[in-house]
Amino acid sequence: KAGVTQTPRYLIKTRGQQVTLSCSPISGHRSVSWYQQTPGQGLQFLFEYFSETQRNKGNFPGRFSGRQFSNSRSEMNVSTLELGDSALYLCASSSNRQGTGSPLHFGNGTRLTVT
Amino acid sequence: DAKTTQPPSMDCAEGRAANLPCNHSTISGNEYVYWYRQIHSQGPQYIIHGLKNNETNEMASLIITEDRKSSTLILPHATLRDTAVYYCIVRVFNNAGNMLTFGGGTRLMVKP
Repeated sequence: KAGVTQTPRYLIKTRGQQVTLSCSPISGHRSVSWYQQTPGQGLQFLFEYFSETQRNKGNFPGRFSGRQFSNSRSEMNVSTLELGDSALYLCASSSNRQGTGSPLHFGNGTRLTVT
Repeated sequence: DAKTTQPPSMDCAEGRAANLPCNHSTISGNEYVYWYRQIHSQGPQYIIHGLKNNETNEMASLIITEDRKSSTLILPHATLRDTAVYYCIVRVFNNAGNMLTFGGGTRLMVKP
């Protein structure tokens, strides 16, 4: 079974621009979450989508948004980029099967650099 | 979700068992214990999880104390490739969502 796939792997953008990151979950997984990882703040939860609906949201400004498509693939968008948005953005998927604990499986992330 | 406490760093000799402890004294009855590891510049890798019973898979064993207030991840024969940051996370699994809260983890250094 293929793992979680994130594209692109690396991205360089300029302040003020916007960016869209893509995530393809493991086949059959309907829950997709996004995380931001920086050296200073560690791994922080951005939001989670399940069956095309946002189910949870972390404490990030409205510049960070996402969506999920009917095939469970997800995208996240960051508008008006700031230098502090430079980070590793991680996507994770889960089967969300009751009674199993349903662990999250992470992709290898998109490394975003804002200059 | 219950808070977890892990030592910030540990060393282990290659070929020996690595025993990584995690304290979760406020865990509630419906919270699972999950272990992940992260090697530099890669996404966190799921290792193992459990609710009450000890668990074993091809990567590791998870030992949960009877009172569930602590657990130990065991890598039976550590290799240099097991050098990573290991995260112990406790959370309820329900229809409310799949959010994980990562702490600082334990930086495991496997030495030749």
